Amino acid sequence: DTAVSQTPKYLVTQMGNDKSIKCEQNLGHDTMYWYKQDSKKFLKIMFSYNNKELIINETVPNRFSPKSPDKAHLNLHINSLELGDSAVYFCASSQTGMAGEKLFFGSGTQLSVL
Amino acid sequence: DQQVKQNSPSLSVQEGRISILNCDYTNSMFDYFLWYKKYPAEGPTFLISISSIKDKNEDGRFTVFLNKSAKHLSLHIVPSQPGDSAVYFCAASAPGGYQKVTFGTGTKLQVIP
Repeated sequence: DTAVSQTPKYLVTQMGNDKSIKCEQNLGHDTMYWYKQDSKKFLKIMFSYNNKELIINETVPNRFSPKSPDKAHLNLHINSLELGDSAVYFCASSQTGMAGEKLFFGSGTQLSVL
Repeated sequence: DQQVKQNSPSLSVQEGRISILNCDYTNSMFDYFLWYKKYPAEGPTFLISISSIKDKNEDGRFTVFLNKSAKHLSLHIVPSQPGDSAVYFCAASAPGGYQKVTFGTGTKLQVIP
């Protein structure tokens, strides 16, 4: 039973399209995250939610909109996809979100924008 | 501004020998340091951590050393096994409030049988 699961695993789409990535955790954690790993393999935080509330919002284009319907789910919707959005997107969760906690990651979504 | 740096993109080690992976950081506010291991097509998984009140933490074959004055930490794997072949990420966060974890770019370890 996968602790943090995200779908789809692969997403290939054309520029200008809108797409969503879904994430669910069954660990009972309060905090969930979206990370982006770019072509240089740099893992960078995008958003963090604690109990459905946005707590971290890095300098991400407005085209990216996270949504947390409940604390077990954090989805990422991307409007008007651009070539530069091609990356691997990882969902993660942690118990409370406090400093020093380990993160539990999903297996990633490889997004390719053509 | 890359606050966590792993200057060796790759490392090859013979099975049974020691693997030493290095990490440097620039933000003196960082108080918690974690290592994650990542296999291809999988997400990173937590390996070992250390807080700034310690200079060493050990868990089986894995030991992390922290040198705060040098802003440097290292992960030692002894003995190295082929199953340890993966990308290792160093990560850090500052105390207080909700964490914003900063990752290094990773070091790809290959353990040669």
